[in-house]
Amino acid sequence: GENVEQHPSTLSVQEGDSAVIKCTYSDSASNYFPWYKQELGKRPQLIIDIRSNVGEKKDQRIAVTLNKTAKHFSLHITETQPEDSAVYFCAASENFNKFYFGSGTKLNVKP
Amino acid sequence: ETGVTQTPRHLVMGMTNKKSLKCEQHLGHNAMYWYKQSAKKPLELMFVYSLEERVENNSVPSRFSPECPNSSHLFLHLHTLQPEDSALYLCASSRGPRAKNIQYFGAGTRLSVL
Repeated sequence: GENVEQHPSTLSVQEGDSAVIKCTYSDSASNYFPWYKQELGKRPQLIIDIRSNVGEKKDQRIAVTLNKTAKHFSLHITETQPEDSAVYFCAASENFNKFYFGSGTKLNVKP
Repeated sequence: ETGVTQTPRHLVMGMTNKKSLKCEQHLGHNAMYWYKQSAKKPLELMFVYSLEERVENNSVPSRFSPECPNSSHLFLHLHTLQPEDSALYLCASSRGPRAKNIQYFGAGTRLSVL
């Protein structure tokens, strides 16, 4: 089956700096890669996603890159703000109905 | 509000109790999921129902029994649980295969097994 690894497990940055979270996957059949943000005490929320036919996608301060050959994808947050502090999960999906999640990254943005 | 409602939000039960978690979605989706989220562990996919048929259970112990009577409702029946089953149980739904596969999560049920 699929195996998704996520690094780092914790990340602390100064407000205004960039943050990068990386995930690797094992199954080359995975073709959809969402990222979720989970604030303390709340449910995971989808923040950005990318399909395997695209190498990069941006949405304001958030971007995701995908390297299919190396089987890794990354979340980039620029100009971080304290409200970006949360746990971020990556996931890989095969055939649209199976999701395999990374272990999460706790991001702390210091004001 | 994502359109996925879970009840109850919190549940405390003894190891000999029988209880059920409920999930309801109003999004017209035809795939629903149960996840378990424990502290310091990845989200664990427990069950997937697509078009009311269970398609995957990932070797979940039999003390967890899912039920999907229709495409809008999903239950997780709990029986003789163990303390290590204490966790946040999340329900999610999505459109079926060959559709955009965004999963919409419920708020979760925080389960404590004493």
